[in-house]
Amino acid sequence: AQKITQTQPGMFVQEKEAVTLDCTYDTSDPSYGLFWYKQPSSGEMIFLIYQGSYDQQNATEGRYSLNFQKARKSANLVISASQLGDSAMYFCAMREGASGYSTLTFGKGTMLLVSP
Amino acid sequence: EAGVTQSPTHLIKTRGQQATLRCSPISGHTSVYWYQQALGLGLQFLLWYDEGEERNRGNFPPRFSGRQFPNYSSELNVNALELEDSALYLCASSGLAGGPYEQYFGPGTRLTVT
Repeated sequence: AQKITQTQPGMFVQEKEAVTLDCTYDTSDPSYGLFWYKQPSSGEMIFLIYQGSYDQQNATEGRYSLNFQKARKSANLVISASQLGDSAMYFCAMREGASGYSTLTFGKGTMLLVSP
Repeated sequence: EAGVTQSPTHLIKTRGQQATLRCSPISGHTSVYWYQQALGLGLQFLLWYDEGEERNRGNFPPRFSGRQFPNYSSELNVNALELEDSALYLCASSGLAGGPYEQYFGPGTRLTVT
């Protein structure tokens, strides 16, 4: 079974609208972390937001928020007020275990296109 | 603060040759991770080095190898190159300097095997 599933290969949104990118995960470890990264066409992976499995509140970073629903094992990324520069690939990733030092498992990504 | 750097930016090799990719982590980071991103695929974990030792490796053949130097920089070697090794190779680092959670990525090395 895939550990990280991103069911939306592509998403389109108009500038200034909000968009939700879906991510579901699968783990039996009670301690884990969930990450979202942005990959523009340049190729570099840019860290956006992090949610720990024991965090009580949903993570927020500026226009990015993570809708964490633990019972459903989902960690959707919400981008408010989309900008043209948000057009990129977005990857959801998971780190399993209590240690901050371990490998990440990535989903296949969602391509977001923001139109004027 | 300088980010993760990788060299070269692009690398073109022929089948059967060896490729060497280099990565310098963020100052203070001790862990280096290597990922392969082939066209149409997500990132696949390759190798993880911490404090000079290999901590974990992904599901890749032994011709993918590497090492970490005393200054925490790292090298990824790919022997006996095959056409399907063509991909973007991303290096990431993590450590207490940047918080224990995030991995910070470099710009990648695009390897083309002809």
